[in-house]
Amino acid sequence: DAKTTQPNSMESNEEEPVHLPCNHSTISGTDYIHWYRQLPSQGPEYVIHGLTSNVNNRMASLAIAEDRKSSTLILHRATLRDAAVYYCILHNSGGSNYKLTFGKGTLLTVNP
Amino acid sequence: DTGVSQNPRHKITKRGQNVTFRCDPISEHNRLYWYRQTLGQGPEFLTYFQNEAQLEKSRLLSDRFSAERPKGSFSTLEIQRTEQGDSAMYLCASSWLTRGSQETQYFGPGTRLLVL
Repeated sequence: DAKTTQPNSMESNEEEPVHLPCNHSTISGTDYIHWYRQLPSQGPEYVIHGLTSNVNNRMASLAIAEDRKSSTLILHRATLRDAAVYYCILHNSGGSNYKLTFGKGTLLTVNP
Repeated sequence: DTGVSQNPRHKITKRGQNVTFRCDPISEHNRLYWYRQTLGQGPEFLTYFQNEAQLEKSRLLSDRFSAERPKGSFSTLEIQRTEQGDSAMYLCASSWLTRGSQETQYFGPGTRLLVL
């Protein structure tokens, strides 16, 4: 599986935007970039995914570099409930890569 | 839909005992996954089912582990002769894979196992 690199931790203030980076220099042409997050004492939950174009949904935005070797998850206004570990995962469920390969993720702390 | 449920939420057992966990996926989801997560690490894949067929098992799944998904609905994960190294959070996820779309996995809250 292609590897992703994320900072171990980041800190933000409530109601400010947060930009969570992810590097994936060995991404293949068929890999989608998926983001999941895990709140304390819960299972992971899906946030967003994309292939080439930037994506928006009600939870977040995903900005993908033109060469696809990096991406950024954007939380437009962080709340205390956004404090979680955020995982950036390369995945293509259309192929044989059915399982999610998690790294250690980025622990996001949100200060009130 | 109430999402993926797992029971029990917590289990404490003595080394050498057998334990069984249950996962109830979102109804109609055709794929079901088991992952294991230890402290400070991301979840690691253990095994997955497409309907009732178990299609892959990770090397992490030793002979003491067995998983079933009878009738393609709920699933059980059994650990025989537990060891202290089995202490972890066991997560279940389900999904509905349709051709041409990307799969989203929905996770349960997990079962936290502590082996004394």
